[in-house]
Amino acid sequence: GAGVSQSPRYKVAKRGQDVALRCDPISGHVSLFWYQQALGQGPEFLTYFQNEAQLDKSGLPSDRFFAERPEGSVSTLKIQRTQQEDSAVYLCASSPEGARTGTQYFGPGTRLLVL
Amino acid sequence: DQQVKQNSPSLSVQEGRISILNCDYTNSMFDYFLWYKKYPAEGPTFLISISSIKDKNEDGRFTVFLNKSAKHLSLHIVPSQPGDSAVYFCAASGVFNKFYFGSGTKLNVKP
Repeated sequence: GAGVSQSPRYKVAKRGQDVALRCDPISGHVSLFWYQQALGQGPEFLTYFQNEAQLDKSGLPSDRFFAERPEGSVSTLKIQRTQQEDSAVYLCASSPEGARTGTQYFGPGTRLLVL
Repeated sequence: DQQVKQNSPSLSVQEGRISILNCDYTNSMFDYFLWYKKYPAEGPTFLISISSIKDKNEDGRFTVFLNKSAKHLSLHIVPSQPGDSAVYFCAASGVFNKFYFGSGTKLNVKP
C-alpha cells in the first residue's frame, strides 16, 4: 500500500519567502508528527497531531512555524518569512495509533534550502 | 541540550561479524526506546523497540539491550550484512507523544 508521501521533495526559497510543506499520511492513521532534521543531526520533534487536534507544538522553533491538519488526514507545515537557519529536511511521520508505542512511518522528507 | 546521544558517528564492520551501536540518554523519565534505520534520500524506517520494563528485545538478527541504571541502550546486529549499511538512529520518549532522537551512527558493513 501507499506509504507516507511529502511534497515538494525539494524547495528552494529566498530569505523572507513563505513556504508550505505538505504531508499525506497513510490512510486511517491517527497520529501525525513533524520533525526537522538539520545536516548531520537526528530528527528533532516539531509538533504532534492526534486526528485534527494539535496536541503538542512545543518543538516549533518560533511563531513563524505553523502546522495544521484540519480534517485529520493531510497536514501542512507552513514557515513564514523563511530564514537561512530554517534550511533542513522536514520529515513527516504517521502512526496508526494514538498511543506513543505505535510504530511511526516516515515520509521521504522535504529538503528546504533558504538562500 | 541533547537528551539522547549517539557518540559514535560511524562504525565499520566486516560482513558476518557483530555490529554494536550504542546510545545514551539523560532523562530518567524516558520509558520507551526505538531504533530506526535510514537509507539516503529516504525517511527513517522502524527497526525495533523496547519498553523500560524489559532489558532485552530480540527480532531476528536484531537485539536491543537496555541498561536503565546506566541510561544506555545498544543495538546488536548479528550477523551483519552489506544491506545493513545505513544510518541508525536511536530515539526515546517519556509520558507524552514526543520523541527525542540521537544524531545517528553510520554503519558500513564491508563484504
